[in-house]
Amino acid sequence: NAGVTQTPKFQVLKTGQSMTLQCAQDMNHNSMYWYRQDPGMGLRLIYYSASEGTTDKGEVPNGYNVSRLNKREFSLRLESAAPSQTSVYFCASSTRQGATDSPLHFGNGTRLTVT
Amino acid sequence: GNSVTQMEGPVTLSEEAFLTINCTYTATGYPSLFWYVQYPGEGLQLLLKATKADDKGSNKGFEATYRKETTSFHLEKGSVQVSDSAVYFCALSDMDSSASKIIFGSGTRLSIRP
Repeated sequence: NAGVTQTPKFQVLKTGQSMTLQCAQDMNHNSMYWYRQDPGMGLRLIYYSASEGTTDKGEVPNGYNVSRLNKREFSLRLESAAPSQTSVYFCASSTRQGATDSPLHFGNGTRLTVT
Repeated sequence: GNSVTQMEGPVTLSEEAFLTINCTYTATGYPSLFWYVQYPGEGLQLLLKATKADDKGSNKGFEATYRKETTSFHLEKGSVQVSDSAVYFCALSDMDSSASKIIFGSGTRLSIRP
């Protein structure tokens, strides 16, 4: 069972470069999420997609864009990377749209460094 | 808005010690509450959950009880092992118009000495 798969695992960018983080889930989940994890700040929601065809901003969306390509895939794009975007990025999915008791299933993360 | 506050770490204990990691929350309505665990180099995994007041979630010897009167969901384990060393996150669900979003605390790093 692959669960949630993120690529790449590691990435180093120079300021101003762009890149796309890929995420795919094979659990037939409706909702998908992108979080960033920074020391001492827990996880902060960047964007989420409640269902295929919809995306919404989370707590820290500035500097990012997302695409829900289909039910399985949800990508995160940095158009012009900045050092403040150095972080570990996690993709997650959950099964039932609108269900408060539906836990998240996480990928193993992408460690991004912007120099 | 909704929020989660958990005790700051790191927490260092000896093997077989009793563990408590405190978590309190602020929420409107009736959220579900979760504990997630993150082992080194991995993503978060659900440890346990409780969906209504007075529910007790349990898994792998860990327990937490949803206390509405004190808005708390403290994590406990009677006898910790070295393999429990990880970062623990308390979280609550937050319902908006289109999806359930989960809000996380800042995490507590736990280290267990042999």
